[in-house]
Amino acid sequence: EAGVTQFPSHSVIEKGQTVTLRCDPISGHDNLYWYRRVMGKEIKFLLHFVKESKQDESGMPNNRFLAERTGGTYSTLKVQPAELEDSGVYFCASSQGTLNIRINEQFFGPGTRLTVL
Amino acid sequence: DAKTTQPPSMDCAEGRAANLPCNHSTISGNEYVYWYRQIHSQGPQYIIHGLKNNETNEMASLIITEDRKSSTLILPHATLRDTAVYYCIVRSRGSTLGRLYFGRGTQLTVWP
Repeated sequence: EAGVTQFPSHSVIEKGQTVTLRCDPISGHDNLYWYRRVMGKEIKFLLHFVKESKQDESGMPNNRFLAERTGGTYSTLKVQPAELEDSGVYFCASSQGTLNIRINEQFFGPGTRLTVL
Repeated sequence: DAKTTQPPSMDCAEGRAANLPCNHSTISGNEYVYWYRQIHSQGPQYIIHGLKNNETNEMASLIITEDRKSSTLILPHATLRDTAVYYCIVRSRGSTLGRLYFGRGTQLTVWP
């Protein structure tokens, strides 16, 4: 079974440009999460989808960030326009998701390293 | 979810047991203790979780004190590949579908 995949693995852009990150969750996982780690800081939650709906987007830093999950499959995270402080590693995770599943383990992708110059 | 406290770093000789402590003194009765780790350049990885009984799986053992205010993750025979940041996370059953709160974690270094 394929794990969570993310594309690209690295992205280097200039300040003011737009970048779109993609996440493909494990097939059949309704829950999809975005997290990021900026340099020297903790991993922070950004948002949570249940199928195509945003369940919790309280971690999104500002309106330059737009996440979508059309059709409830893969998700994209667009940063427009990118700023220097957006540099970091962006992780996507998915989980199977119902409260009947005791663990609801989140499976993480390898991350996308974003560098804004 | 309750707050956790972990030492910032630990080290361990290869082949020996690594014992990683976590304090969660404000844990409530319906909150689980989860452990994840992040190996450098990879995404975080689930290790184990427990409520009040000790748990063991193929990766590790989790020992939770009787009062549940602290726990210890045990890697019985640490290898160099276990070098990673280990995160202790407390989550209520009702929030197991929600976000994970990663603190600073413990950087475990396994040396040859």
